Amino acid sequence: QVQLQESGPGLVRPSETLSLTCTVSGGSISSFYWSWIRQPPGKGLELIGYIYNNWRTNYNPPLKSRVTISVNMSKNQFSLKLNSVTAADTAVYYCARAQTGYGGNPGEFDHWGQGTLVTVSP
Amino acid sequence: QSVLTQPPSASGTPGQRVTISCSGSSSNIGSNSVSWYQQLPGTAPKLLIYRNNQRPSGVPDRFSGSKSGTSASLAISGLRSEDEADYYCAAWDDSLRGLFGGGTKLTVL
Repeated sequence: QVQLQESGPGLVRPSETLSLTCTVSGGSISSFYWSWIRQPPGKGLELIGYIYNNWRTNYNPPLKSRVTISVNMSKNQFSLKLNSVTAADTAVYYCARAQTGYGGNPGEFDHWGQGTLVTVSP
Repeated sequence: QSVLTQPPSASGTPGQRVTISCSGSSSNIGSNSVSWYQQLPGTAPKLLIYRNNQRPSGVPDRFSGSKSGTSASLAISGLRSEDEADYYCAAWDDSLRGLFGGGTKLTVL
């Protein structure tokens, strides 16, 4: 059974870089689409971006200039870096796996981590 | 404001059938499949429906999904108190950008 677990600081200062890691167990990270999704308190879900197939990436346009997603295959982990954070980046951050759907494109998010709350505050 | 539009709330009494709608456009729902997620309070979302109408193993057949044109629906029959949760639809757009609806809070009266 595939399991995902987020880790990283729960508090980040404004203007600094938010860094999170997702450790995948029970399966290889070498295929599928590995994603970061966030949820501000009391609000809905927002896809930040994902990494896939020879480590190509696709980022949500409003966040694209601040986001980097990368993979560490030796540790079966993938990571998120979001720079120049503000209070608006305060959210629960989830890592998730998206299946390969029609035509090899991403499909449904079938496995999720439990989520980690990151607060941006001085 | 989400690209996929859901009603913010829905409600029903135990045993009833409720439906939650999700409206998009030709570049997302109209040309790609829809998935649905259930988020119980304080927990991560859980996949409920994929490829418009497929249920993962373990999801009761009380949950069903459908899609027509640029809209999709989630139906829950035989409503139970444990179905009280937030429900989100999702679809990819033609740029392979993942989109979520704003979420619907289901209350079991």
